[in-house]
Amino acid sequence: DAKTTQPNSMESNEEEPVHLPCNHSTISGTDYIHWYRQLPSQGPEYVIHGLTSNVNNRMASLAIAEDRKSSTLILHRATLRDAAVYYCILSDWNYGGSQGNLIFGKGTKLSVKP
Amino acid sequence: EAGVTQFPSHSVIEKGQTVTLRCDPISGHDNLYWYRRVMGKEIKFLLHFVKESKQDESGMPNNRFLAERTGGTYSTLKVQPAELEDSGVYFCASSQDIKNVKSGELFFGEGSRLTVL
Repeated sequence: DAKTTQPNSMESNEEEPVHLPCNHSTISGTDYIHWYRQLPSQGPEYVIHGLTSNVNNRMASLAIAEDRKSSTLILHRATLRDAAVYYCILSDWNYGGSQGNLIFGKGTKLSVKP
Repeated sequence: EAGVTQFPSHSVIEKGQTVTLRCDPISGHDNLYWYRRVMGKEIKFLLHFVKESKQDESGMPNNRFLAERTGGTYSTLKVQPAELEDSGVYFCASSQDIKNVKSGELFFGEGSRLTVL
């Protein structure tokens, strides 16, 4: 079972920021928080991941709560191409853990309006 | 640089027939994974290769599924005999050495859609 909870869907206007929430109240100390997205008819695409500190990359920012029980993926300016299903996934990447076994939930379907 | 490529993009077969899906990972990626999404369900992990060895095959549904990665390069996933419930999209992914936890990124292919009639 997925260990994360996300809203089923969200809407955004083009060129506005989007905040996608994720709850993971049972996160363990060695769980990384990963975000992937899946555009229509494509495979999942890595977006960002983090452990404790907030992270930024060219695609998005990841804000992690101090207690790590929740996180937020931030798209700073949504474009039509950002319309996709966004998955928040916990994974223990320690050696000997479930490396690469990502547990996908239902994700959040993001719609972007022009 | 080429990404993860999968072949065929779509296969339609009849129940009881055999299908072989192929995945070419990104060059130099030792780790190769198979996932699938069957109708109406979430994407599920099937198995993980490190080079030619099966590291984790806990997600393989039954013995009708056989995955190989001879030589540690491309991988094949054979379904024999195929059943109706095997219909779905099969994704392959690859990654670099995941002992480097600063990476943590899996690169997915576009998937192979399997339709069993």
